[in-house]
Amino acid sequence: NAGVTQTPKFRILKIGQSMTLQCTQDMNHNYMYWYRQDPGMGLKLIYYSVGAGITDKGEVPNGYNVSRSTTEDFPLRLELAAPSQTSVYFCASSYGGGANTGELFFGEGSRLTVL
Amino acid sequence: AQRVTQPEKLLSVFKGAPVELKCNYSYSGSPELFWYVQYSRQRLQLLLRHISRESIKGFTADLNKGETSFHLKKPFAQEEDSAMYYCALSGSNFGNEKLTFGTGTRLTIIP
Repeated sequence: NAGVTQTPKFRILKIGQSMTLQCTQDMNHNYMYWYRQDPGMGLKLIYYSVGAGITDKGEVPNGYNVSRSTTEDFPLRLELAAPSQTSVYFCASSYGGGANTGELFFGEGSRLTVL
Repeated sequence: AQRVTQPEKLLSVFKGAPVELKCNYSYSGSPELFWYVQYSRQRLQLLLRHISRESIKGFTADLNKGETSFHLKKPFAQEEDSAMYYCALSGSNFGNEKLTFGTGTRLTIIP
């Protein structure tokens, strides 16, 4: 049981390039999330999904896209990378509701630098 | 808008001394509050949730709606408590489990 797996762990991009951060979970969780964390700041929600085929914007969605074609996978796409997207990105998942409310399981993070 | 404030970026405490990590929130509905912890080289993980009224690793946190606070406390600090701690908020207005996180407090226990 690997939990939440993110790839890559590190990436350097040039301005204007595109890339996809991969996230997969093997816990059969319905809910999945992408957060970003800038230095000295808390985690900010980019996008989330409550199930396959359903996605919605979080607090800071501009410059990103997501898809959720399966329960397991929730990739985050960066189009036309900008220096403001330099950050650490965390994928998370949760069962959703009941006694497990609020328990998110996080990946190890992906450190992205845009130069 | 919902907000979580952790006023201390850094906190150093001697081993055996009491620990209190402060968290204040702003939310118009009925909040659910959580503490998350990230130990060195480990993933961010849930430490405790207010609704469970539990004590985890000696830590407790009481939700004070009058003061809109959810401070994390431990009577006697241990070296293994050194970590980054995040307070987080969710609530019925969200309709799901989106969490709003504070900026975190780095706790260092001095031997």
